[in-house]
Amino acid sequence: AQSVTQLGSHVSVSEGALVLLRCNYSSSVPPYLFWYVQYPNQGLQLLLKYTSAATLVKGINGFEAEFKKSETSFHLTKPSAHMSDAAEYFCAVSGLRGAQKLVFGQGTRLTINP
Amino acid sequence: SQTIHQWPATLVQPVGSPLSLECTVEGTSNPNLYWYRQAAGRGLQLLFYSVGIGQISSEVPQNLSASRPQDRQFILSSKKLLLSDSGFYLCAWLTGTDTQYFGPGTRLTVL
Repeated sequence: AQSVTQLGSHVSVSEGALVLLRCNYSSSVPPYLFWYVQYPNQGLQLLLKYTSAATLVKGINGFEAEFKKSETSFHLTKPSAHMSDAAEYFCAVSGLRGAQKLVFGQGTRLTINP
Repeated sequence: SQTIHQWPATLVQPVGSPLSLECTVEGTSNPNLYWYRQAAGRGLQLLFYSVGIGQISSEVPQNLSASRPQDRQFILSSKKLLLSDSGFYLCAWLTGTDTQYFGPGTRLTVL
């Protein structure tokens, strides 16, 4: 069975500082991996996805994530935080075939301090 | 381009009342469709998915049901709501590039 663990339910950084949100996954087969962002009372917006084409994936809003198979990790980073990055971030895994159901981590709430 | 709509945006219902939430997708045909629930402290949980008209798979036993009467319409229902049904309900569709895109969600409060 697939699972996702996001380390840290809350992360707080200063504006302009590095953002690092951690995600580890468990999957018996090579997975697809995703990061989504959710602003208050809105649906989920796709930030980026890994589909085995390249281990370093660039997404929207300056975010990127690196797939490390040996560490079963897919951490999300952004070099310089902006106030507009304050939101909840979800890491998710899905299989490659069939229904392709998403399994989500518990989410990390990112706060940006001025 | 494809868009996904959910209706209503917010809903307040008494315990024991019925429920019907609607999700519609435009600009694509025969997509996989999904219902998720986001409840406080419980993350995002897949409730149902559908790979075609009339084809529904349930992921967790619960007080809810789903139907897909048309290719691009997915409905979440309940005959009698429970307090525990409160949450944020999200519909999603699967693209040809194996990515799920989400609707704006419905906030359900059961009192």
